[in-house]
Amino acid sequence: LAKTTQPISMDSYEGQEVNITCSHNNIATNDYITWYQQFPSQGPRFIIQGYKTKVTNEVASLFIPADRKSSTLSLPRVSLSDTAVYYCLVGAMDSSYKLIFGSGTRLLVRP
Amino acid sequence: NAGVTQTPKFQVLKTGQSMTLQCAQDMNHEYMSWYRQDPGMGLRLIHYSVGAGITDQGEVPNGYNVSRSTTEDFPLRLLSAAPSQTSVYFCASKDSGLEIDTQYFGPGTRLTVL
Repeated sequence: LAKTTQPISMDSYEGQEVNITCSHNNIATNDYITWYQQFPSQGPRFIIQGYKTKVTNEVASLFIPADRKSSTLSLPRVSLSDTAVYYCLVGAMDSSYKLIFGSGTRLLVRP
Repeated sequence: NAGVTQTPKFQVLKTGQSMTLQCAQDMNHEYMSWYRQDPGMGLRLIHYSVGAGITDQGEVPNGYNVSRSTTEDFPLRLLSAAPSQTSVYFCASKDSGLEIDTQYFGPGTRLTVL
């Protein structure tokens, strides 16, 4: 399974755009990139998933360069409620049930 | 749908005691997993199941047993609790064959072993 590297923590302010980058240098051809969000005392929640280029949904955007060795989760105009831990996972489609979560990125949004 | 449910929410055990953490899902998902999360850390995979009657070990299986007799239920059994098993335990489930591969997590069980 591809190993991922993310910043341990990030700070931002309300209304700003936040970009969290994940490195996955040994990503395999059939691997997808998935991001989860976890609030304190809750289980992780799926945010977005992609294979290449750009994916956008109502919550976030995911940018994946052509070499796929990294990916960037973009959260537009964050609010205090976006304070959470964000996890980047890499694995083959339909393998999420056995993926291992890293330590994630702890995002703190300040007023 | 209730989604993924876990009981109990909180539990305190003494060293050496055994107990079972319950997990159930009502989405008819094939895959289910158990994770533990220590304070300030990410989730670590304990055991997973790809269907009724089929289970396999994850990253940290020692000290835990699982069984999957039905699609809905995936209990996690602590054989002889140790303080090192103090953690928050999350159960998750997922369907197969979908365009988006995502797990649905339960609310967690906070376990303290004294």
